[in-house]
Amino acid sequence: DSGVTQTPKHLITATGQRVTLRCSPRSGDLSVYWYQQSLDQGLQFLIQYYNGEERAKGNILERFSAQQFPDLHSELNLSSLELGDSALYFCASSVGGDRGPYGYTFGSGTRLTVV
Amino acid sequence: GQQVMQIPQYQHVQEGEDFTTYCNSSTTLSNIQWYKQRPGGHPVFLIQLVKSGEVKKQKRLTFQFGEAKKNSSLHITATQTTDVGTYFCAGRYYGGSQGNLIFGKGTKLSVKP
Repeated sequence: DSGVTQTPKHLITATGQRVTLRCSPRSGDLSVYWYQQSLDQGLQFLIQYYNGEERAKGNILERFSAQQFPDLHSELNLSSLELGDSALYFCASSVGGDRGPYGYTFGSGTRLTVV
Repeated sequence: GQQVMQIPQYQHVQEGEDFTTYCNSSTTLSNIQWYKQRPGGHPVFLIQLVKSGEVKKQKRLTFQFGEAKKNSSLHITATQTTDVGTYFCAGRYYGGSQGNLIFGKGTKLSVKP
């Protein structure tokens, strides 16, 4: 158990639908990152939150949005789903920024299948 | 945009052979991290390199950061079946968004016993 909790582990949904992925960071970590992993594209950075505020944005589609709540858990909302959105979505957390030799702690991921 | 290129994409070795994966960036990196993802698992942080020319060792794993801070390598000596997985490098750039790591596409290592 990495300390980062992601739910659900698996999600199957139809095209056009909307889903919400949830992440609870490791205790004490203020930063949450969302990554998309597909077979051909590796780990694609989507978005980062730090202590409730959006800190960095990657290649996140307009159909996707995220937020971090006061208790530091984060949700990634995916809407108008397409077949190509099928992937493994990872949440990671860290103490914050570039401080120290600390890497990211990843959760076990949510496998999204759009049919 | 900024990219971290990682080669090879796949590597098949006999148990006991050595393995090396390489990362390259066209621009200077602030630091570089390495992760391992076991089959069906999630990426696990291995190490961070910050200084030019830095070399760090973890048992049979040796990590290097180039003098120009544009390339890095991970070398595994005498591979074991427990080394199976995908190894990712992840670079952070100067002036980049804080906390934004750019991951290479990974090298998938398989080890034949």
